[in-house]
Amino acid sequence: AQSVAQPEDQVNVAEGNPLTVKCTYSVSGNPYLFWYVQYPNRGLQFLLKYITGDNLVKGSYGFEAEFNKSQTSFHLKKPSALVSDSALYFCAVRDSGANNLFFGTGTRLTVIP
Amino acid sequence: DADVTQTPRNRITKTGKRIMLECSQTKGHDRMYWYRQDPGLGLRLIYYSFDVKDINKGEISDGYSVSRQAQAKFSLSLESAIPNQTALYFCATSDSTGLRGVQPQHFGDGTRLSIL
Repeated sequence: AQSVAQPEDQVNVAEGNPLTVKCTYSVSGNPYLFWYVQYPNRGLQFLLKYITGDNLVKGSYGFEAEFNKSQTSFHLKKPSALVSDSALYFCAVRDSGANNLFFGTGTRLTVIP
Repeated sequence: DADVTQTPRNRITKTGKRIMLECSQTKGHDRMYWYRQDPGLGLRLIYYSFDVKDINKGEISDGYSVSRQAQAKFSLSLESAIPNQTALYFCATSDSTGLRGVQPQHFGDGTRLSIL
């Protein structure tokens, strides 16, 4: 079985401060991990993925995420938040032995000017 | 993603009606997916198709059916709509090539469906 948890429904951060959006996962095989962002009235947009290799993954718009196998986490980070980063963020996981992605329930990020 | 087009974008209908949501893509991807999004529940997979002759049920397929008319087209039908099928529906595509065949999914802008 596979599952993913985003423990925070809402994250608020001041513009210019670092941001973190948390994600933990559970799979029986090796995890393939993804982050997506959703802006109002739009579909999800891919930010970054971890398949194998370096635990620190860099993605679009200055975002990065760190794969931590021992903590089964894949937190999304950005060194300096922008107001335009305000959106709904989804973590997703796919077990290496499965065909499908499982999505978390989403975290709404608000960057305060 | 303009390469994945969903029609209609909005639809209001009545309980018991048959509804079809359509998805077409110009990305040349072989894999296509239908999800529904509900507040606080994230996205849940309804059906997926890895090629024209391959259709698979997802997490919540009851009350839905799909048709893969061509590699570029994947439609979702609600045979007899009920109010708890009110949701935001997304089509997505992905490519089966690349590292371990794991590629990101590309989403349309969604269909907002309301069933009265």
